[in-house]
Amino acid sequence: NAGVTQTPKFHILKTGQSMTLQCAQDMNHGYLSWYRQDPGMGLRRIHYSVAAGITDKGEVPDGYNVSRSNTEDFPLRLESAAPSQTSVYFCASRQTDEQYFGPGTRLTVT
Amino acid sequence: QKEVEQNSGPLSVPEGAIASLNCTYSDRVSQSFFWYRQYSGKSPELIMSIYSNGDKEDGRFTAQLNKASQYVSLLIRDSQPSDSATYLCAVNGNNRLAFGKGNQVVVIP
Repeated sequence: NAGVTQTPKFHILKTGQSMTLQCAQDMNHGYLSWYRQDPGMGLRRIHYSVAAGITDKGEVPDGYNVSRSNTEDFPLRLESAAPSQTSVYFCASRQTDEQYFGPGTRLTVT
Repeated sequence: QKEVEQNSGPLSVPEGAIASLNCTYSDRVSQSFFWYRQYSGKSPELIMSIYSNGDKEDGRFTAQLNKASQYVSLLIRDSQPSDSATYLCAVNGNNRLAFGKGNQVVVIP
């Protein structure tokens, strides 16, 4: 099992551009979340999904969209990137209580 | 009051010593508690889970939980340079995992 995978590892985006961060898990977990991690702010949840077809907002959802068409994939879309979205993004999955993180995507918006 | 609070670091310990990390939480109904280790530039890695009051040992790591006082701690015995990392406390309440900001541990050879 690969666990939780994320692509790309790094990306530089210009202000106003759009992009999709990919997240996939092969553990048949129902619960997937997207976090961003910024210095001094800790991990903050952006969006989450408890099952295919069901998504909900986390603490910091503005500027981000998600979809969940199947169990495995949970892409995070930035429609119009802003410099404030420069961060490290982690996807995480869990079935019960224990949550496992993907390797992360380091995104810079210039 | 912050949901999950970790005392500010960094914590420097000599190799072979015990590193002690503390975490307090505000939600009394929280039922599950976790410690993650995060190396610089890497993702958080789950190293300990604890669900009931008392101690739980796993190798050189011991997690301690006191629900009455709303704190959870992590002890790292015989600290090694490879233990140098940031340690995140996480608390599950209302089916949402809340994270502390982390404590950096530096093990000095």
